[in-house]
Amino acid sequence: QVHLVESGGGVVQPGRSLRLSCAASGFTFSNYAMHWVRQAPGKGLEWVAFISYDGSKKYYADSVKGRFTISRDNSKKTLYLQMNSLRAEDTAVYYCATSPYSSGWSYFDYWGPGMLVTVSS
Amino acid sequence: EIVVTQSPATLSVSPGERATLSCRASQSVSTNLAWYQQKPGQPPRLLIYGASTRATGIPARFSGSGSGTEFTLSISSLQSEDFAVYYCHQYSGWPAFGQGTKVEIK
Repeated sequence: QVHLVESGGGVVQPGRSLRLSCAASGFTFSNYAMHWVRQAPGKGLEWVAFISYDGSKKYYADSVKGRFTISRDNSKKTLYLQMNSLRAEDTAVYYCATSPYSSGWSYFDYWGPGMLVTVSS
Repeated sequence: EIVVTQSPATLSVSPGERATLSCRASQSVSTNLAWYQQKPGQPPRLLIYGASTRATGIPARFSGSGSGTEFTLSISSLQSEDFAVYYCHQYSGWPAFGQGTKVEIK
């Protein structure tokens, strides 16, 4: 079955960088688009970034554009989120989520357990 | 930008009763709408996509309806495991979630 596991989170100071990883298994990773979605403590869900199956298309929420970069390594079945210039408002649980399609907008059919990122001095 | 609004924010329901949750989009999203259930400390779980199609393994007591701008998630007879927060999500354009409806025990 589909299995997603995020890693790389933790506590980081404002202005610093962090890279999240999402290891995938149980499906043909290279065939499907992927997303990052986050949830601030006690708040709702916020979509963060999208990458197509081959990495040729990438889209970002306005709140992270220019600071975050989504990427993938299909040979390693791993999704990444490079987060630079972190702010206190980036504090959240970050989820990786699968798309049922190779590209384009869609619902999120499988989710990882999430990884907490805390931005604090 | 499509804005998604859910109502009510909190719904108090007795076990065995029916729950009806609403989701409204600021412009038409056709049937590009999904519903998720989230319990504390867990990731969201896909319930409904395409406005009315149940995801794999979702019980038949969950049903979705609507198109365009108005959508409904119904839970026909609430079980103890159904008390949770429910989010709708439009994927017609840039993804947007509603703010969530908490279904609590009355």
